[in-house]
Amino acid sequence: SAVISQKPSRDICQRGTSLTIQCQVDSQVTMMFWYRQQPGQSLTLIATANQGSEATYESGFVIDKFPISRPNLTFSTLTVSNMSPEDSSIYLCSVSPGISYEQYFGPGTRLTVT
Amino acid sequence: QKEVEQDPGPLSVPEGAIVSLNCTYSNSAFQYFMWYRQYSRKGPELLMYTYSSGNKEDGRFTAQVDKSSKYISLFIRDSQPSDSATYLCATTNAGNNRKLIWGLGTSLAVNP
Repeated sequence: SAVISQKPSRDICQRGTSLTIQCQVDSQVTMMFWYRQQPGQSLTLIATANQGSEATYESGFVIDKFPISRPNLTFSTLTVSNMSPEDSSIYLCSVSPGISYEQYFGPGTRLTVT
Repeated sequence: QKEVEQDPGPLSVPEGAIVSLNCTYSNSAFQYFMWYRQYSRKGPELLMYTYSSGNKEDGRFTAQVDKSSKYISLFIRDSQPSDSATYLCATTNAGNNRKLIWGLGTSLAVNP
């Protein structure tokens, strides 16, 4: 398994601003993922972030709105840009270490946009 | 049709009951199956990970996969109030770039 931390744990932001969320892992992992979870809903994958390559975005998510950095094997950031109230959500990072397919999640960042 | 179907509940049971949580999936290529537990305001926690068909047991939890029916189950024995959470199933197949396909999650309340 892996231990994952996220910063900030929560934030309240004004519309039009940007927020950068940090994800730190206690071991080196190749694959990291960023998800969004609306209240009471399941998880929606935003993008896959592999070290050394550009992030791969899912349908409906674009790099200009959700730029991702992956500078090394233990760290990644997700920026939510030009925020609107519709971006209010929980943002989660996860990792898939080793050769098996399970993912381990961070505690999430609860974002409210006013 | 969604790739993974899961009844969102809510499911309410008395303490000590056996709980059965289920998902169905449509893609016969799915080979890897996971159950996650998510407490309110927390990230999902991996409970069970299984490959292909069969059963896997871990303490009070048993995961079951029936690939012929495309049906996966999680059983919780002797349920406790601390089991109250949302349970999400997820699946994927080799070569899917490790992208998980998720169920909606089932909300479970175990009443003392």
